Amino acid sequence: KAGVTQTPRYLIKTRGQQVTLSCSPISGHRSVSWYQQTPGQGLQFLFEYFSETQRNKGNFPGRFSGRQFSNSRSEMNVSTLELGDSALYLCASSLEGIPGNTIYFGEGSWLTVV
Amino acid sequence: GIQVEQSPPDLILQEGANSTLRCNFSDSVNNLQWFHQNPWGQLINLFYIPSGTKQNGRLSATTVATERYSLLYISSSQTTDSGVYFCAVRGGGADGLTFGKGTHLIIQP
Repeated sequence: KAGVTQTPRYLIKTRGQQVTLSCSPISGHRSVSWYQQTPGQGLQFLFEYFSETQRNKGNFPGRFSGRQFSNSRSEMNVSTLELGDSALYLCASSLEGIPGNTIYFGEGSWLTVV
Repeated sequence: GIQVEQSPPDLILQEGANSTLRCNFSDSVNNLQWFHQNPWGQLINLFYIPSGTKQNGRLSATTVATERYSLLYISSSQTTDSGVYFCAVRGGGADGLTFGKGTHLIIQP
């Protein structure tokens, strides 16, 4: 059974640009959540989607957005990139959501903003 | 929100040694997981353990929910066990998983 797949794995963007990251969950999983990892702030929750609806959102500015499609695949978008957005972005999937379910992570997308 | 503290922050051991990593959390939880982050950044799920005890090979974990802590035991360490170990919880009104700062484990041959 395939794991969580994230694309692209590595990318470099310029300040002010926008970026879209993609995540395909484990087959049958309906919940997808996103996390940002930086050396200074560690791992922080961005948002969670379940059945195409955003269920929870972390404490990030509105430049960070996401969506989930009917096949449970998810995308997150960051607009007007800032240097501080350079990070590892991790996607995770679970059967029904974070409470009470094991969360599985993908390999992540490494974003560098220059 | 919920606070998660992991100790020790760094641990250097010789191959074959045993180790205990600790995770303290500040509120009741409905999800607690231990992860190992590999050198390429992927978080590998080790245990889903909001309460009780589990074992998987050389690794085992115990969570005492009433006392708000979890322990990860690694026995007969191997160099491949090196990396960062994270404890993550959901609770205290938080919406997603809250991660600790991790324990950086180095196993020397």
